Amino acid sequence: EAGVVQSPRYKIIEKKQPVAFWCNPISGHNTLYWYLQNLGQGPELLIRYENEEAVDDSQLPKDRFSAERLKGVDSTLKIQPAELGDSAVYLCASSLTTGDGYTFGSGTRLTVV
Amino acid sequence: DAKTTQPTSMDCAEGRAANLPCNHSTISGNEYVYWYRQIHSQGPQYIIHGLKNNETNEMASLIITEDRKSSTLILPHATLRDTAVYYCIVRVATGGSYIPTFGRGTSLIVHP
Repeated sequence: EAGVVQSPRYKIIEKKQPVAFWCNPISGHNTLYWYLQNLGQGPELLIRYENEEAVDDSQLPKDRFSAERLKGVDSTLKIQPAELGDSAVYLCASSLTTGDGYTFGSGTRLTVV
Repeated sequence: DAKTTQPTSMDCAEGRAANLPCNHSTISGNEYVYWYRQIHSQGPQYIIHGLKNNETNEMASLIITEDRKSSTLILPHATLRDTAVYYCIVRVATGGSYIPTFGRGTSLIVHP
């Protein structure tokens, strides 16, 4: 089993540029999560999907962040335009259902300069 | 929402047991205690979870007090590779909509 796969692993962009992250969850996992992790902090939930439906996006800054999970499998998280404060690690996780244990990907480390 | 309190950091000698405490005094009856750890530059990894009985797996043991207000994760023979941030969270095991927060966790350093 490949686990949760995220790409790219690292990304450096200039402020005001767009950026996208991709996540491939574990096969059969219906629930997918995007988390943001700042340096020295624990992960913070941005959005949760049940299949293709975003069921919890209250923490997602909707003015610049967007996400989609077409066909209820892979997901992308986009930031447009990126700001210096968006520099962080973006983690994707999946689980069979909302209550099950999470499996996390290795994350994408974003640096905005 | 049940919250957890953990020490910011701990250290342990290699080969010794590492005992990581967690307070969750507002835990509800249907909430489980979960432990994850995060090694540098990786995503968090599930370790173990329990409701009220002590649990053991190949990675660790989980001791939950009788009143369930606190728990301890035990790594019986810590190795250098156990150096990581350990997160204690409480959550409903299945079917719940509550999404737990991770907090800052405990940074465990295992030294030779």
